[in-house]
Amino acid sequence: GQQVMQIPQYQHVQEGEDFTTYCNSSTTLSNIQWYKQRPGGHPVFLIQLVKSGEVKKQKRLTFQFGEAKKNSSLHITATQTTDVGTYFCAGHMDSNYQLIWGAGTKLIIKP
Amino acid sequence: DAGVTQSPTHLIKTRGQQVTLRCSPKSGHDTVSWYQQALGQGPQFIFQYYEEEERQRGNFPDRFSGHQFPNYSSELNVNALLLGDSALYLCASSELWGDDGEKLFFGSGTQLSVL
Repeated sequence: GQQVMQIPQYQHVQEGEDFTTYCNSSTTLSNIQWYKQRPGGHPVFLIQLVKSGEVKKQKRLTFQFGEAKKNSSLHITATQTTDVGTYFCAGHMDSNYQLIWGAGTKLIIKP
Repeated sequence: DAGVTQSPTHLIKTRGQQVTLRCSPKSGHDTVSWYQQALGQGPQFIFQYYEEEERQRGNFPDRFSGHQFPNYSSELNVNALLLGDSALYLCASSELWGDDGEKLFFGSGTQLSVL
């Protein structure tokens, strides 16, 4: 069936280091969205990418959508403690209202 | 401007019982989606309601049913509860044509424990 694979499952970083999470879809996506879920919280929308090869930035966060619209990445520069949480990608397939979610990447800041 | 509200926040049931969860969408939103999120996993799509009808359904059994009311609020019903139904149930609202586009706004969820 339709799947969105997300890696890694966890990433431990020192504060100030960079963080990246990757998503790959088995089929072409019409768009991809990214959400952040803090521990004990609910997913919060970060961004939506629609165009092939699109790159968007939000301060220290950079989002990319692949040329084939099958993969995406989120890169955080110089992580801060406020970045802690699980980052999910979620994509729409064409003519489909259902969002297919990745399993998430948990960002853990080492003490 | 109220966001998405869900009730109750926590619920404990026993196997075989039935449960009803409620959701009020963000003001101006007409579409409600329900998700099940097990601990440490991503949200799994249950179904989506638009104009009081189920528009799309994920891979969940018929024990899971829902309803949308004329004011766009929604209910999720689960019959014959199983231990494996224990999870966080999230409601998300959206609007297809509007400033918010296709982004989902989530409620804080209902934590269901089945004993």
